[in-house]
Order: sequence, then structure tokens, then C-alpha cells
Amino acid sequence: GDSVTQMEGPVTLSEEAFLTINCTYTATGYPSLFWYVQYPGEGLQLLLKATKADDKGSNKGFEATYRKETTSFHLEKGSVQVSDSAVYFCALSDNNTDKLIFGTGTRLQVFP
Amino acid sequence: EAQVTQNPRYLITVTGKKLTVTCSQNMNHEYMSWYRQDPGLGLRQIYYSMNVEVTDKGDVPEGYKVSRKEKRNFPLILESPSPNQTSLYFCASSHTDQETQYFGPGTRLLVL
Repeated sequence: GDSVTQMEGPVTLSEEAFLTINCTYTATGYPSLFWYVQYPGEGLQLLLKATKADDKGSNKGFEATYRKETTSFHLEKGSVQVSDSAVYFCALSDNNTDKLIFGTGTRLQVFP
Repeated sequence: EAQVTQNPRYLITVTGKKLTVTCSQNMNHEYMSWYRQDPGLGLRQIYYSMNVEVTDKGDVPEGYKVSRKEKRNFPLILESPSPNQTSLYFCASSHTDQETQYFGPGTRLLVL
């Protein structure tokens, strides 16, 4: 079945450092891809998404490009802030079952 | 304010004592879903509902029940909770199963 694999955390960075969180997927067909963010004590909220190959999703300085050739959707940000500290989940929307399939999440810790 | 609410936010109970976690959304969404979040496993879907009186099993439905008598409410029922149901539970909703899901703040359950 479809699946999502994320890099394990925690990822620990200093403020203003460059961030990459890797995400790869396995899917039949052409799923939509998502990044959700979970701030401490809160539910998940959509950060960005891409619905077809080569689409780039972006929001709040974060970007991710849907790469069909490498089945990847890596999350990047040029300069992280302490307020970006959270858990980030990569997910895909399964075209066969219409379900949202999540990765295991990657905790990001940004220190001043 | 558009939101998904869950109650209670925190619950400690004992094995076998029936409990219900409520979920309500004010966005007139058709699709609602329950997830559990466990360390190292990410989010796994328990049950979902495409509309009133239409529910179906997710990936980990054992030990849970749901109902969808009204569009806005989607309660999660644990008839006889067991310690392996200790987890963080999230309710989510969207207009369709293909669209961005909006998550509630979570319910942390401890079953002793």
C-alpha cells in the first residue's frame, strides 16, 4: 500500500539556519502531497500542499516541491526561527482509498 | 471562528469503563475522521465518515465505535477501554476526503 517515510528527529538548529526535512513516498498513481505542522499542545494544521508533479507548495517561508522522479517532497526553509519549533508531518492523499496517510513526524527544535 | 472542538482535552480512566470523546465542527464539512497519534507511528486513522449516517473503518478500528447522527458531530466511543488505547486522539474535518483537513486540538487519554 501507499506509505510515507520521513527523516527521524529531532532536528536541532540555531536560529537563522537552513532547514531541510526529507520526505519520500510510495504510491500508485498520482497522490496529492502535504506538510502539516503541529505546534506544542495543538492539533495539526496544514502548512503547504502540492497536487501534481513539479508543483511547489509554499507558506510562511517554507517550501516543498513535488518530485515524481525521486518520489520526494522535502520541506525547506532558508532561515528558521525559534517559533518554527514544532513537529512536522509529511502526508499523502491516497487516490485509491481517499485516505490521508501520514509519516511518523519530525520534531524540529530551534534555539536562539 | 471556524474550528473543530474536542472534549475532553485530557482524560484518565480505568480499564473497561466506557467513555466517549466528542468532536464538533462548525464549518458544515461533510467529511470527518478520527486519528490516534503514537510515538514513532505518526497518525493512524481509526474511523471516518463521508456524511451523516455514513461511517467506515480506518486502519486501526478495533476497540472503537463512532456515530454520525448529525453533520457537525462525530463522537468516538470506547466501549471497554484497554491500556493499549492510551494515546493522543485527533478529530478532523473537511468538505470532501480530498480536501485539506482541519484538526481539533487533541484529546490525551490514559487508560490504567
